[in-house]
Amino acid sequence: GDSVTQMEGPVTLSEEAFLTINCTYTATGYPSLFWYVQYPGEGLQLLLKATKADDKGSNKGFEATYRKETTSFHLEKGSVQVSDSAVYFCALSEKGNKLVFGAGTILRVKS
Amino acid sequence: GAVVSQHPSRVICKSGTSVKIECRSLDFQATTMFWYRQFPKQSLMLMATSNEGSKATYEQGVEKDKFLINHASLTLSTLTVTSAHPEDSSFYICSARLPSRYEQYFGPGTRLTVT
Repeated sequence: GDSVTQMEGPVTLSEEAFLTINCTYTATGYPSLFWYVQYPGEGLQLLLKATKADDKGSNKGFEATYRKETTSFHLEKGSVQVSDSAVYFCALSEKGNKLVFGAGTILRVKS
Repeated sequence: GAVVSQHPSRVICKSGTSVKIECRSLDFQATTMFWYRQFPKQSLMLMATSNEGSKATYEQGVEKDKFLINHASLTLSTLTVTSAHPEDSSFYICSARLPSRYEQYFGPGTRLTVT
């Protein structure tokens, strides 16, 4: 079945550091890929998405590129802020069916 | 746009009682809503998929008689935890999917504590 693997956290960075959170997936077809962010005590917010190979999703300085050849959708940000501290979930969905989530990666940004 | 609300945000109930959680899509009609459960420091586990006007589809291992889901309208789905026990304490999150779109929009979650 479909699955998503994320790098384990927590990831601890200093403010303005470069961020990469790795995400790889296994799917039978051609899924849509998503990154969601969850702030403490809150639900999930859609951060960005990509629906086909080579698409780049971007939002709030974050970006991720749908790499079919490596089945990856790594999340990057050039300069993180303390306010980016949260849990980040990579997810996929095939043909609009249920979302399959990775385990989540905790990001902590220190000032 | 695409705002989803949940009510209540927190609820404490006694063991053996039932609790209803509401999920509403505020500015769109959602033919499909999803209910998830999240344990501390863990990912989301899909419990069931709720389609307006039909019975919910439950994931394997989820007791449909314990977690009653009703999707009575295009903007409202409810999850009722019947005869709640302390092990049902968790963070319950709903989401709604825009018609003809793949992404889901999530509610803020409901923290259920069963004492």
